[in-house]
Amino acid sequence: SAVISQKPSRDICQRGTSLTIQCQVDSQVTMMFWYRQQPGQSLTLIATANQGSEATYESGFVIDKFPISRPNLTFSTLTVSNMSPEDSSIYLCSVAGGNEQFFGPGTRLTVL
Amino acid sequence: AQSVSQHNHHVILSEAASLELGCNYSYGGTVNLFWYVQYPGQHLQLLLKYFSGDPLVKGIKGFEAEFIKSKFSFNLRKPSVQWSDTAEYFCAVLDQTGANNLFFGTGTRLTVIP
Repeated sequence: SAVISQKPSRDICQRGTSLTIQCQVDSQVTMMFWYRQQPGQSLTLIATANQGSEATYESGFVIDKFPISRPNLTFSTLTVSNMSPEDSSIYLCSVAGGNEQFFGPGTRLTVL
Repeated sequence: AQSVSQHNHHVILSEAASLELGCNYSYGGTVNLFWYVQYPGQHLQLLLKYFSGDPLVKGIKGFEAEFIKSKFSFNLRKPSVQWSDTAEYFCAVLDQTGANNLFFGTGTRLTVIP
């Protein structure tokens, strides 16, 4: 298993600003994932981040809005840029290991 | 791409009642199947998983799920629910295309009344 931490755990932001969410894993992993869980909805994959390569974005998500960094095998960041109230959501980091995925505690973002 | 359907949006049961939550997926190839649980205020936890072998999978806290390939289903069951089972339950499918992407259902909220 993997232990995943995220910072911040929650934040309240103003429209038009950006927030960077950090994800730290206690072991080296190849693949890291960023999900969004909008209020009352399921998890939606934003992008897959592999170390040393550009992140792969799912349909409906673009790099300009959600830039991702993956500087090493234990760390990744997701930035939510130029935020609007529609970006209010829980953002989760996840890692793959042995055909399973392990999830971080999430970052609850509220955009006013 | 995969699609995962959970037919029950919100289920309300009394304690000791039996539970069955439906999950259907669309992919016809080899899949790995999961049920995750999210207790109020907590993060996602793996409840059980199916990779291969016995289609009846037993997980934590008395939960089990049955993989029926012909029906593309992986329903979650528990013979007697407890108040502490109140949570959101998500079915997820990992297809074997190599992308290692998990596809989630929309979730089922379970409320157990004491």
